[in-house]
Amino acid sequence: DAKTTQPPSMDCAEGRAANLPCNHSTISGNEYVYWYRQIHSQGPQYIIHGLKNNETNEMASLIITEDRKSSTLILPHATLRDTAVYYCIVRVTNFGNEKLTFGTGTRLTIIP
Amino acid sequence: GAVVSQHPSRVICKSGTSVKIECRSLDFQATTMFWYRQFPKQSLMLMATSNEGSKATYEQGVEKDKFLINHASLTLSTLTVTSAHPEDSSFYICSAISGYTFGSGTRLTVV
Repeated sequence: DAKTTQPPSMDCAEGRAANLPCNHSTISGNEYVYWYRQIHSQGPQYIIHGLKNNETNEMASLIITEDRKSSTLILPHATLRDTAVYYCIVRVTNFGNEKLTFGTGTRLTIIP
Repeated sequence: GAVVSQHPSRVICKSGTSVKIECRSLDFQATTMFWYRQFPKQSLMLMATSNEGSKATYEQGVEKDKFLINHASLTLSTLTVTSAHPEDSSFYICSAISGYTFGSGTRLTVV
């Protein structure tokens, strides 16, 4: 799997948009970008994924650059409950039975 | 939909005993489940892939005789930590549909 690079930590004010970057410069043409988050002492939670186009769901938006070498996860109105570690992963299958490799992620802290 | 239930959420056991952790898919059938381990302030590390009706596939460096995995039905996979030692204390997490859904995790403390 292609590797990803994320900043180790970020702060964001409550109510503001949180923009979490991810670099995946070696991504292959058939690899998807997935985002997860893990709140302390819980299992990871799937957030969103995409291949080429930008995606939006009820939790977040995913912006993928045209060359697909980087992406940004956007939490439009961050709340204290969004404090978590966010993981960006690239993978070949679209929820197929493929093992995932988690990096170190970004620890996002929402500041009141 | 696609909920995975993991039990127990916390367990404390004595050194040398065995502990079983269950991972159930509640509203779907899972032919494959994944077991992860997470040490404090570290990322998740895949331990093994559990396949219904066949042997699990272990990642390099994971002792298959110590971490016994059984996937006897399409809705249940179990991880048994045998002869547990303090260094096995960790957060264990299962997953199904490869990353779509995760269990809530089991905090194992070996004393």
